[in-house]
Amino acid sequence: EIVLTQSPGTLSLSQGERATLSCRASQSVISSNLAWYQQKPGQAPRLLIYGASNRATGIPDRFSGSGSGTDFTLTISRLEPEDFAVYYCQQYDNSPQTFGQGTKVEIK
Amino acid sequence: QVQLEQSGAEVKKPGASVKLSCKASGYTFINYAMYWVRQAPGQRLEWMGWINAGNGNTKYSQKFQGRVTITMDTSASTAHMELGSLRSEDTAVYYCARAPLGSAMNYWGQGTLVTVST
Repeated sequence: EIVLTQSPGTLSLSQGERATLSCRASQSVISSNLAWYQQKPGQAPRLLIYGASNRATGIPDRFSGSGSGTDFTLTISRLEPEDFAVYYCQQYDNSPQTFGQGTKVEIK
Repeated sequence: QVQLEQSGAEVKKPGASVKLSCKASGYTFINYAMYWVRQAPGQRLEWMGWINAGNGNTKYSQKFQGRVTITMDTSASTAHMELGSLRSEDTAVYYCARAPLGSAMNYWGQGTLVTVST
């Protein structure tokens, strides 16, 4: 099973700042089958990025994904009020599909 | 528009089974996979398994093998997930989520809270 480790656990930032979230895999995600989701309290997750770097439909271009192999990054270029949430990475390259433990982006 | 409407909250006793449903609309049901993912309170998301709605093939996480069954009713565009031998650790919100085959989950249901308690 591929274990995904996200860092940091919590990111305290102000509106307008840049957020950089990391996701490290215990073994290579060969086909870059790596996704990022946003989850707000009491809501279902929302797909942001798939295939490591492709924005999902309707996702603003301030969200970008990069990386390959074992190291992946989600960047939010300028935080908007609605971006404060928990972010999860997920690999769907290997069964069982697995999720990271999440990074909480909170208002500083 | 794509919608996944999940069944209502359930309260079960340890040892019982629960069967959840997920009714899809706004797309051709058989052209996608349906996944089931759960989230215990304060915990990360946990993948349980999926069904290829085109041919009915299923794949389950080994963690739930023998306890979980995912089925579908194509005439009703509905997927079901049954989890047996419930224990308190199964208390969680259970989500269904649609995905193109081989890709990420791009639409999610609203979630169903299952509480396992004596």
